[in-house]
Amino acid sequence: GESVGLHLPTLSVQEGDNSIINCAYSNSASDYFIWYKQESGKGPQFIIDIRSNMDKRQGQRVTVLLNKTVKHLSLQIAATQPGDSAVYFCAEGLNAGGTSYGKLTFGQGTILTVHP
Amino acid sequence: NAGVTQTPKFRVLKTGQSMTLLCAQDMNHEYMYWYRQDPGMGLRLIHYSVGEGTTAKGEVPDGYNVSRLKKQNFLLGLESAAPSQTSVYFCASSTFFSNTLKLFFGSGTQLSVL
Repeated sequence: GESVGLHLPTLSVQEGDNSIINCAYSNSASDYFIWYKQESGKGPQFIIDIRSNMDKRQGQRVTVLLNKTVKHLSLQIAATQPGDSAVYFCAEGLNAGGTSYGKLTFGQGTILTVHP
Repeated sequence: NAGVTQTPKFRVLKTGQSMTLLCAQDMNHEYMYWYRQDPGMGLRLIHYSVGEGTTAKGEVPDGYNVSRLKKQNFLLGLESAAPSQTSVYFCASSTFFSNTLKLFFGSGTQLSVL
């Protein structure tokens, strides 16, 4: 029979606008957080990461904010472009350089659509 | 530099058939992973390996086996495929460098089990 899939959160923006994608993570012990971008038919690509001893980190056109009090992570994309259209995943991990061996727990993802 | 290469890209199986997915990385990474991705869901870890000759279970290991006989290769096997294993499978490898952990993903294998 037909399966019913989950509906991903979606965000539609106009080209040039700023985008904010939110993520609630599950494990209060997680100390490493990463954002990935996945374009249609491709594997996820690393965007930016942040450790739990930071609350903000900036990259090129992207900023990640971490609020450990409410277990919330956000990705801000400045001057969004059509090429930014993709599914964005947050991921959390524990002790990134140690015994967790890079195992990550992924969120369900958010679909970003950028209109020209 | 090819990065992470997965073969095949697409496969259709009948229930009960077996198959092996191959992952190869040319970055000399110690850690490798197999994830599955289902519609509307994030990636879930099936098995992982922290080095040649070692493997460990992830979040959803049932129905799968893995082997890491060579550092650059990580194989995922389905001994008796079931419709519930219809999914997109991603292999990844990682390194920890400059206080950053980066997973590099392959382009995925679309598997349908009828």
